[in-house]
Amino acid sequence: DIQMTQSPSSLSASVGDRVTITCRSSQSISNYLNWYQQKPGKAPKLLIYAASILQSGVPSRFSGSGSGTDFTLTISSLRPEDFATYYCQQSYNTPFTFGPGTKVDIK
Amino acid sequence: EVQVVDSGGGLVQPGGSLRLSCAASGFTFSDYEMNWVRQAPGKGLEWVSYISSSGSAIYYADSVKGRFTISRDNAKNSLYLQMNSLRAEDTAVYYCARDRPEYGVTLDYWGQGTLVTVSA
Repeated sequence: DIQMTQSPSSLSASVGDRVTITCRSSQSISNYLNWYQQKPGKAPKLLIYAASILQSGVPSRFSGSGSGTDFTLTISSLRPEDFATYYCQQSYNTPFTFGPGTKVDIK
Repeated sequence: EVQVVDSGGGLVQPGGSLRLSCAASGFTFSDYEMNWVRQAPGKGLEWVSYISSSGSAIYYADSVKGRFTISRDNAKNSLYLQMNSLRAEDTAVYYCARDRPEYGVTLDYWGQGTLVTVSA
């Protein structure tokens, strides 16, 4: 099975900060990497797929990069509605594993 | 508007069974692959199962293989998860999710979730 790790597990940031979250896979997954945002009590929301393609309707302050085993999610200027937990997920091979999540909260 | 609505959760005793349903609307259900994902209380997301658009290809996480069965009825725009031999560790919110075309299992629309609690 492909293992996914994320760092950091949590971070505190202020509105307007640039935030970067890292995701790593245990083997190469090409660009088969998705990012989701989840707020408490809500279903996850797809932000980015294929490592760097912004899902329709997602603000352009979100961006993704990487290929192979190392990936990043960047929020260029954090807004109040971005405080949430972010998960990466590999879509390369079954089981389609998620990372453990990165919680972004208010400093 | 694309919608997926989960239902069927509840309290069940260890060893019991439960059937979850997911009603889809706003898109041609028979064209899309579908999945179940779960989230234990206070924990992260765990992919559970996948079914192709025709139902001919099915995959499961090892943690549920042999106990859970995914199925679909394209005439009724519905997805199902039959859960047998339930364990305490199956306690979670279960989400059905649509799989957008291309790039593997990429979940673009999610249900609101249905809570399954396995407890005596």
